[in-house]
Amino acid sequence: EAQVTQNPRYLITVTGKKLTVTCSQNMNHEYMSWYRQDPGLGLRQIYYSMNVEVTDKGDVPEGYKVSRKEKRNFPLILESPSPNQTSLYFCASSTQGANYEQYFGPGTRLTVT
Amino acid sequence: DAKTTQPNSMESNEEEPVHLPCNHSTISGTDYIHWYRQLPSQGPEYVIHGLTSNVNNRMASLAIAEDRKSSTLILHRATLRDAAVYYCILMGAGGTSYGKLTFGQGTILTVHP
Repeated sequence: EAQVTQNPRYLITVTGKKLTVTCSQNMNHEYMSWYRQDPGLGLRQIYYSMNVEVTDKGDVPEGYKVSRKEKRNFPLILESPSPNQTSLYFCASSTQGANYEQYFGPGTRLTVT
Repeated sequence: DAKTTQPNSMESNEEEPVHLPCNHSTISGTDYIHWYRQLPSQGPEYVIHGLTSNVNNRMASLAIAEDRKSSTLILHRATLRDAAVYYCILMGAGGTSYGKLTFGQGTILTVHP
């Protein structure tokens, strides 16, 4: 089944403790992206990647890092999480280019205390 | 960055058509117009997308204004399962916006039995 998977689905952590949220897709997609969703602010793009070893900042990249060493994986790294990064995170992937639909993962709910 | 404007909410009755508007007056010539919807506790789901011409698929139709500054998502016969938040999104396909995706605030669609 074609899908985007995220792990963990739920995470509660403390300020400053490094964490990684994994994202994996099995559709051989070149494009992958991370979003956060907050009440009243909608979905905002954090980082995106057009292909392996190519990443770019979205609208809200501060406090996040990403890497794209393999086509199927696009982990989101929070080196020193803060409470304002408490959010619902979505990973998505698509075939290269704006003329293709994005497939979204199920989401990761992160709470930073 | 190109932004979109949508009504906060709309209501419809089951079996009736629904027209969801979106304004994107600063759209660039290479931006694709995408529509996604999100059900509670789920990731966004692709609905339809287009560039200049009107588009139809099994889920909906997309009507794009001639000047591309607005578009309308048309659900031909709303069902209760169509109740969701609908997002109108511009996806850059060229220049510095290539790959960058800007979400609107979304329209909450309520469907009455």
